[in-house]
Amino acid sequence: EPEVTQTPSHQVTQMGQEVILRCVPISNHLYFYWYRQILGQKVEFLVSFYNNEISEKSEIFDDQFSVERPDGSNFTLKIRSTKLEDSAMYFCASSTVPIGQPQHFGDGTRLSIL
Amino acid sequence: ILNVEQSPQSLHVQEGDSTNFTCSFPSSNFYALHWYRWETAKSPEALFVMTLNGDEKKKGRISATLNTKEGYSYLYIKGSQPEDSATYLCALAGGTSYGKLTFGQGTILTVHP
Repeated sequence: EPEVTQTPSHQVTQMGQEVILRCVPISNHLYFYWYRQILGQKVEFLVSFYNNEISEKSEIFDDQFSVERPDGSNFTLKIRSTKLEDSAMYFCASSTVPIGQPQHFGDGTRLSIL
Repeated sequence: ILNVEQSPQSLHVQEGDSTNFTCSFPSSNFYALHWYRWETAKSPEALFVMTLNGDEKKKGRISATLNTKEGYSYLYIKGSQPEDSATYLCALAGGTSYGKLTFGQGTILTVHP
């Protein structure tokens, strides 16, 4: 069964550094998402992406964050100048349509900011 | 801001018991209600997507119901098995049509042999 893959599984970075989290969505999916879960908190939405544009973003997704689909398969989340509070599990998801069908999630990238 | 609440936070049952948990959500601006099963160190696995008031869905021993007018969904597991142990998440697609999911905090189910 096709799946969403994320790399790396764990990223440790010094505060202030830039990180890029990578995702390969399911190949026939058109809608892409990033979510994160800070330890002990709810999974929270960051951004949705369709047709090479951001469809919606949360208030968390400020100028520090950006997303890109650099080629036909990858979907990346870049975090510039990381802060301690960016430490979280980041999940990528994809779906065929935005409503009415499940979003398929990757295994996540655990980001640790030191 | 949409608020999705799940109860209970955790549940311990014996193998063979049937169990259920609740997801509550604001009934306005409703598009869909998702249920996911999430095992530690794995990706959340989609169980159901429910869109219509009165929807009932079933997958093996797991079933779910939806009441959009009063803003709740129930997930039922019949004859729980140890492999059902996981966190069960519900998520609301609401407010916008771009697919944003608002998650509850999850119910942690532990099934003891």
